[in-house]
Amino acid sequence: EVQLVESGGGLVKPGGSLRLSCATSGFTFSSYSMNWVRQAPGKGLEWVSSISSSGAYLYYAGSLKGRFTISRDNAMNSLYLQINSLRVEDTAVYYCAREISQYNYETSGAGPLDYWGQGTLVTV
Amino acid sequence: QLVLTQSPSASASLGGSVKLTCTLSSGHSSHAIAWHQQRPEKGPRFLMKVNSDGSHSKGDGIPDRFFGSSSGAERYLTISSLQSEDEADYHCQTWDAGMNVAFGGGTKLTVL
Repeated sequence: EVQLVESGGGLVKPGGSLRLSCATSGFTFSSYSMNWVRQAPGKGLEWVSSISSSGAYLYYAGSLKGRFTISRDNAMNSLYLQINSLRVEDTAVYYCAREISQYNYETSGAGPLDYWGQGTLVTV
Repeated sequence: QLVLTQSPSASASLGGSVKLTCTLSSGHSSHAIAWHQQRPEKGPRFLMKVNSDGSHSKGDGIPDRFFGSSSGAERYLTISSLQSEDEADYHCQTWDAGMNVAFGGGTKLTVL
């Protein structure tokens, strides 16, 4: 059974930092691109960032570049999101999601998301 | 710019059917999309990918009551034999080779 479990959220003051984690199981983590998606209270889904299977290709939503850093540890089957200089508008539930590859070359942020975690709440 | 447009709300009767629409922005009418269901206080759940030719591939365990189709720049999700558990937000998602992922604003479905 595919499982994605986020952690690391919490209450932080503006200007602070957080590192979110996503522990995965039930599939070959190193074969999949992974994504972070967030949802502000009462709002829709907003794509944050993606990382390719090896970690070589990283992409961010244009408005978020510079403060967010995505990374992964394939030996630990884990995905991470470092958020610096937190702002009130970063308050949201952050989800990690697995991506279905649509191309025959390594990339990310380029396919449907087929498994999601339950999310972790970040309050700024 | 890659944009998806959804109606904010929809409603249908228990046991009936509903067709939700997701519209791709100009110049992107050949894009595939994905539909996701999000029940209250839960994370999203992948329902299916819908291609521009109307073919679709469902996620694990998605019942036959859920059906995807396409026409031009519009992608549809039809849910038949509506159950109370289908009351949820439905989000469409697309992407391009330029590493750009976009979501629609979501449609809140009420089952009457």
